Amino acid sequence: DVKVTQSSRYLVKRTGEKVFLECVQDMDHENMFWYRQDPGLGLRLIYFSYDVKMKEKGDIPEGYSVSREKKERFSLILESASTNQTSMYLCASSIDRGGNTIYFGEGSWLTVV
Amino acid sequence: QKEVEQNSGPLSVPEGAIASLNCTYSDRGSQSFFWYRQYSGKSPELIMSIYSNGDKEDGRFTAQLNKASQYVSLLIRDSQPSDSATYLCAVVGGSQGNLIFGKGTKLSVKP
Repeated sequence: DVKVTQSSRYLVKRTGEKVFLECVQDMDHENMFWYRQDPGLGLRLIYFSYDVKMKEKGDIPEGYSVSREKKERFSLILESASTNQTSMYLCASSIDRGGNTIYFGEGSWLTVV
Repeated sequence: QKEVEQNSGPLSVPEGAIASLNCTYSDRGSQSFFWYRQYSGKSPELIMSIYSNGDKEDGRFTAQLNKASQYVSLLIRDSQPSDSATYLCAVVGGSQGNLIFGKGTKLSVKP
């Protein structure tokens, strides 16, 4: 079974803190993605990566950065967390960009107070 | 900005009825269309994909695609309470060729 693991499921952070969300996949996928999901807004793409050390901005990259030093690991970084970044964050990986092969992690619920 | 539109619901149907979920998309060049089911507190899971005009059936699920009208739908026959979830429509499109998700339709199947 393909496994996408988000190590932190529930986090509470203070405004201004630096936050790291880690994601690891075990299927040697080229593509990895970070989404956030908010009620009424659906899934919105923050960043994606199609290769090690490569990254591309998605639809809502402001306030976020990413790191992909190894193929299996894709990290989302909130440099200075703000309350409007309280959300559920989903990591995903895929063989290609198509929806047939995308696998999601279990999600990380972040609350910024 | 390429968009995928869905009615947010909630859509409520009685057990055994047909649930009809609809989705429209703005990118006329899109070629790949997907339906995901997401239970509360869980991550999305793929239930149907469709690439050609017409119907595609898989068990109790039928996906319908009409590219001329830029419309894709999902029918769930003999709806069960276990089908109660949010259904996300997704389309591969945009300049980067990534998945673009609709906001989801919440379905409630009443026993």
